[in-house]
Amino acid sequence: GAVVSQHPSWVICKSGTSVKIECRSLDFQATTMFWYRQFPKQSLMLMATSNEGSKATYEQGVEKDKFLINHASLTLSTLTVTSAHPEDSSFYICSARVAEISYNEQFFGPGTRLTVL
Amino acid sequence: GQNIDQPTEMTATEGAIVQINCTYQTSGFNGLFWYQQHAGEAPTFLSYNVLDGLEEKGRFSSFLSRSKGYSYLLLKELQMKDSASYLCAVLDSNYQLIWGAGTKLIIKP
Repeated sequence: GAVVSQHPSWVICKSGTSVKIECRSLDFQATTMFWYRQFPKQSLMLMATSNEGSKATYEQGVEKDKFLINHASLTLSTLTVTSAHPEDSSFYICSARVAEISYNEQFFGPGTRLTVL
Repeated sequence: GQNIDQPTEMTATEGAIVQINCTYQTSGFNGLFWYQQHAGEAPTFLSYNVLDGLEEKGRFSSFLSRSKGYSYLLLKELQMKDSASYLCAVLDSNYQLIWGAGTKLIIKP
């Protein structure tokens, strides 16, 4: 149980285009979803936290108008990178948390590799 | 500020034992996680400690000392497939995960 999927697993796009990444919890309802970004040889950087039906909370330094997060249901959150540029190329990972699990474990999706040309 | 320290890289031999240390200073503590991450993949859960002591799970064990702000991950009978980065993360008082930079473990034959 507790499987999180992401789609697409990789994407290559031209500079200036927008890219949408989906994160789904397949067999549970996630009260909270997290979006992370990871550059090569660096640790995970939390971008934002989203709760179903409410606006996402962005970390300092993350542009909310550039990284649009929609958490429309308890099983789906989307991250849209608007007007992507080469510096946005990174590994984007989502995770989902279930409140019923006592220690608040986060279950990670497989990640999306974004390359902006 | 919040800080988690772990070594950048470690090297060990196949079949041996290795201990990866993690020290933390966070605003509140609601548990410490260890994750394994292979290159190009998302992290996978290894262990969770919230009380002092040792938690053993097969070849992997994790230890916590809350008074010292210290944890370690112990890997026994190392296999080549254990080559990966190992991430230490602490749940703070707001239930946010604070991540260490990760320890890259290199296993040599």
